[in-house]
Amino acid sequence: AQTVTQSQPEMSVQEAETVTLSCTYDTSESDYYLFWYKQPPSRQMILVIRQEAYKQQNATENRFSVNFQKAAKSFSLKISDSQLGDAAMYFCAYRSPPSQGAQKLVFGQGTRLTINP
Amino acid sequence: SAVISQKPSRDICQRGTSLTIQCQVDSQVTMMFWYRQQPGQSLTLIATANQGSEATYESGFVIDKFPISRPNLTFSTLTVSNMSPEDSSIYLCSAQGGSTDTQYFGPGTRLTVL
Repeated sequence: AQTVTQSQPEMSVQEAETVTLSCTYDTSESDYYLFWYKQPPSRQMILVIRQEAYKQQNATENRFSVNFQKAAKSFSLKISDSQLGDAAMYFCAYRSPPSQGAQKLVFGQGTRLTINP
Repeated sequence: SAVISQKPSRDICQRGTSLTIQCQVDSQVTMMFWYRQQPGQSLTLIATANQGSEATYESGFVIDKFPISRPNLTFSTLTVSNMSPEDSSIYLCSAQGGSTDTQYFGPGTRLTVL
């Protein structure tokens, strides 16, 4: 079974600075999807970024980018120019490809990110 | 992206009662899911809601406790039956399908059982 590990329960960063959240996963599959979701106090799960394992290029979405290291099974999220609105719980998630049937998301334990003004 | 709504947004219930949570998607989707998020914890999948057939439950979750319906491609319900305080959690619906394979989430239902 796949597992996802986020080793940083809490992180903090100064506003406008850059922060990196770590995520590692364990799988025997060669094709899969990885996601970062954020959950602010409103509890709404919001997609931040996604990465397909077959793509070597790291995904980027505005101030958010990932460092995907397939061999190391590592998927970190970098947030540049941090803003107060980035404060939230961040979850890393893994999903098997459609060919494997089950499409459930397997989540890490989460990292609580605080932005200091 | 799909827009997903859930009702109710929160509820406080007495032990031994049941609550049905509704999930509505603004477009037809292939797959719908129900997750539980216990206080201070991550999300755990309860079941995959299958249109026109019985839901597929994850280990540790059973149909008698969490019956699920999915009568069409845009709607699903989750019932939490015979509730106990241990069922106090946030219950989230998600949907996947269309042009992307991404799962989008509803706003969640915060359930407190006294």
